[in-house]
Amino acid sequence: GQQVMQIPQYQHVQEGEDFTTYCNSSTTLSNIQWYKQRPGGHPVFLIQLVKSGEVKKQKRLTFQFGEAKKNSSLHITATQTTDVGTYFCAGSSGGYQKVTFGTGTKLQVIP
Amino acid sequence: AAGVIQSPRHLIKEKRETATLKCYPIPRHDTVYWYQQGPGQDPQFLISFYEKMQSDKGSIPDRFSAQQFSDYHSELNMSSLELGDSALYFCASSLPTLTNTQYFGPGTRLTVL
Repeated sequence: GQQVMQIPQYQHVQEGEDFTTYCNSSTTLSNIQWYKQRPGGHPVFLIQLVKSGEVKKQKRLTFQFGEAKKNSSLHITATQTTDVGTYFCAGSSGGYQKVTFGTGTKLQVIP
Repeated sequence: AAGVIQSPRHLIKEKRETATLKCYPIPRHDTVYWYQQGPGQDPQFLISFYEKMQSDKGSIPDRFSAQQFSDYHSELNMSSLELGDSALYFCASSLPTLTNTQYFGPGTRLTVL
């Protein structure tokens, strides 16, 4: 079955430093989504990438979808304490099929 | 804006008991997904429904069943509960598009004693 791995599993950064999490799928994806889950909260949708090589930005967050549509990355510039949480990528093979969540990267920001 | 509603928010059960979790999707969303998230784990897909029909099945135990009703709300029925069933259960809903962006509810925390 489809597997989606993320690295690193944990990341501690000093406030103001940059952060990147990488997502790799065992199969080609039709789209990839990113979610953020705060401690004790539920996953919240951040963004969706559909096109090969697509890059999207949301303020300090930059999302990229690989050319082969099997990997993706999320980069946060100048982290803030509000960025704390677990970031999940979630891949889909399209249509109404299930979305497979990545293993998640837990980000801790040290003030 | 309306969000996904889940009830109850917390549930405590004994081993071998049954539990029913409810999910009310965002209005006009006709696809519902159920996930199980253990402590420190990523959400594991259990099952999904589109237009009241099961659309996909993940790692849902045979002891669990689910359905989607005519008003699009969904219920997850869990029988013969085991200690390992203790987890957060999320429901998510989406519109029927190719991109199936999912909007998660706040979750039900199930504790099996």
